[in-house]
Amino acid sequence: QSALTQPASVSGSPGQSITISCTGTSSDIGGYNYVSWYQQHPGKAPKLMIYEVSNRPSGVSNRFSGSKSGNTASLTISGLQAEDEADYYCTSYTRSSTLVFGGGTKVTVL
Amino acid sequence: EVHLLESGGGLVQPGGSLRLSCAASGFTFSSYAMSWVRQAPGKGLEWVSAIIGSGGSTYYADSVKGRFTISRDNSKNTLFLQLNSLRAEDTAVYYCAKYLITGTAPDYWGQGTLVTVSS
Repeated sequence: QSALTQPASVSGSPGQSITISCTGTSSDIGGYNYVSWYQQHPGKAPKLMIYEVSNRPSGVSNRFSGSKSGNTASLTISGLQAEDEADYYCTSYTRSSTLVFGGGTKVTVL
Repeated sequence: EVHLLESGGGLVQPGGSLRLSCAASGFTFSSYAMSWVRQAPGKGLEWVSAIIGSGGSTYYADSVKGRFTISRDNSKNTLFLQLNSLRAEDTAVYYCAKYLITGTAPDYWGQGTLVTVSS
């Protein structure tokens, strides 16, 4: 199972919006509405930010939103804040009942 | 509050074995699928294995199939990962993670335990 494709880095100024893409295939992203996004700060465990494409867990800011079109999912962070600087990973359920992660995107707040 | 605490990591020689444990609390353990996800130093996340709530079905990444075994003891709220035939490329922080009730992705993660494979 090949990893999902994410940009290595994305940056934005405070208050701006940024979008991180995550591209897979019809065997994962395109086949299921089971895309999740995680935020990971250095030395910390990942934190679930979005699940099942566009659902936010309790306690996650509504500045984070998710969507999907075909084999590509996206995470948008609006009103960018310094605390949003972290690594972000997408993941998708697959036809083999496994999970596949993206390579990760480093978000930098300028 | 969900709490996951991994243990059992350490330094092991290539070809060696290790058993990781994850003690869970704060939820009905037997009702949820659980998984292991690893992260090599400076690298991204890699899904390793998962097991359904009853323990009746297990799933593995191709990279560990035949070498790693996931299991659980629902009477002790504990998840395990047996690592055999270890290779240098298995060096990573291993995270225990609880799945959403829908079983589509992990929602809570432990802090991880480091496995180092080196001679």
